[in-house]
Amino acid sequence: NAGVTQTPKFHILKIGQSMTLQCTQDMNHNYMYWYRQDPGMGLKLIYYSVGAGITDKGEVPNGYNVSRSTTEDFPLRLELAAPSQTSVYFCASSQQGTGANVLTFGAGSRLTVL
Amino acid sequence: TQLLEQSPQFLSIQEGENLTVYCNSSSVFSSLQWYRQEPGEGPVLLVTVVTGGEVKKLKRLTFQFGDARKDSSLHITAAQPGDTGLYLCAGDAGNMLTFGGGTRLMVKP
Repeated sequence: NAGVTQTPKFHILKIGQSMTLQCTQDMNHNYMYWYRQDPGMGLKLIYYSVGAGITDKGEVPNGYNVSRSTTEDFPLRLELAAPSQTSVYFCASSQQGTGANVLTFGAGSRLTVL
Repeated sequence: TQLLEQSPQFLSIQEGENLTVYCNSSSVFSSLQWYRQEPGEGPVLLVTVVTGGEVKKLKRLTFQFGDARKDSSLHITAAQPGDTGLYLCAGDAGNMLTFGGGTRLMVKP
């Protein structure tokens, strides 16, 4: 089972450029999340989705956009990249309604903005 | 915003020592989870605690949820180099998990 797959694993952007981080899950989970993790720190929630067509802001949504057109995919778009967006981005999914909200994470996408 | 504070932030110990990591909040959570993360990988769930006062054991790891469901602790007995990693607690607030800042543990042989 693939679980949660993120692409790309590494990317370098110039200031002001835009890009999309891809995330797909094959577990038919209804909830999906994007977190960012700065060096040596915990995870901060950027956006989340409780199902196809529904998205909500997390703690740090500024500078990002998301969409959820299918259950499987939850891309994260960076518009006008800034050095402050240099981070490791993790996508995660969970199946709500079956007890505690347990997340399955992807391997991460390391983004550098120069 | 519900905040989770973990302590200590960093811990370097010798193999065989015991240690405790704390996760504290002023908010009540429906459940609390502990994850372990290794370099270059995403966090992996260790345990979920749901009931106030609950204690769960996973080999040499003991997890406890506070009676008021606002705090938790992770105790490792006889730490081994393989326990090295970043330990994250996360509180379930309904639609999302709030993560603590993490405790980076290094166990030296």
